[in-house]
Amino acid sequence: DVVLTQTPVSLLISLGGQASISCRSSQSLVHSNGNTYLHWYLQKPGQSPQLLIYQVSNRFSGIPDRFSGSGSGTDFTLKISRVEPEDLGVYYCLQRTHNPYTFGAGTKLELK
Amino acid sequence: EVKLEESGGGLVQPGMSVKLSCTTSGFTFSDYWMEWVRQAPGKGLEWVAEIRNKANNYATYYGKSVKGRFTISRDDSKSIVYLQMNSIRSEDTGIYYCTRGDYWGQGVMVTVSS
Repeated sequence: DVVLTQTPVSLLISLGGQASISCRSSQSLVHSNGNTYLHWYLQKPGQSPQLLIYQVSNRFSGIPDRFSGSGSGTDFTLKISRVEPEDLGVYYCLQRTHNPYTFGAGTKLELK
Repeated sequence: EVKLEESGGGLVQPGMSVKLSCTTSGFTFSDYWMEWVRQAPGKGLEWVAEIRNKANNYATYYGKSVKGRFTISRDDSKSIVYLQMNSIRSEDTGIYYCTRGDYWGQGVMVTVSS
């Protein structure tokens, strides 16, 4: 199975600051059709996960441009600029290129 | 408005079975692939199963920890996706989410205990 390694495990960020989360895959996430099915989710406390970024760099509907995704192959990054209180929670990467799909272990974003 | 609502959870004895349902609305259910994801108490997300649509022959896929014990199925006429959980173990305890990938339900709790 594909292993996704997320770093760091936790992040202490000041309001208005910038956060960067890495997600590294044990194998290339480029599908045979040429697409890369690496997505980012945020799970706020007590809530269901919500989709932020799909296929590496596409923001889902209603997601502010403070959130950006980048990367290719095996290395991916989620950046959050101008951190706001509603950004707090646990961020997960998920790969849907290879079955079974797998999640990263999560990165907890907290306020400094 | 896209809606997904899970049901069927509760307290289950080890070794027994339970069937979860996810009732959906607000979209053409038959077009979509559907998944189940779970979360043990205080832990991260674990991908459980996927069922594809008719165009993809209703193919099913499972996570390693549930393969052979859980079965995902769907009823396109009712817009419902199911998760049949057999030979339940204590480590199956957690919140089970139904998801379309972009939209998620609120989850249903399954507690495995004697």
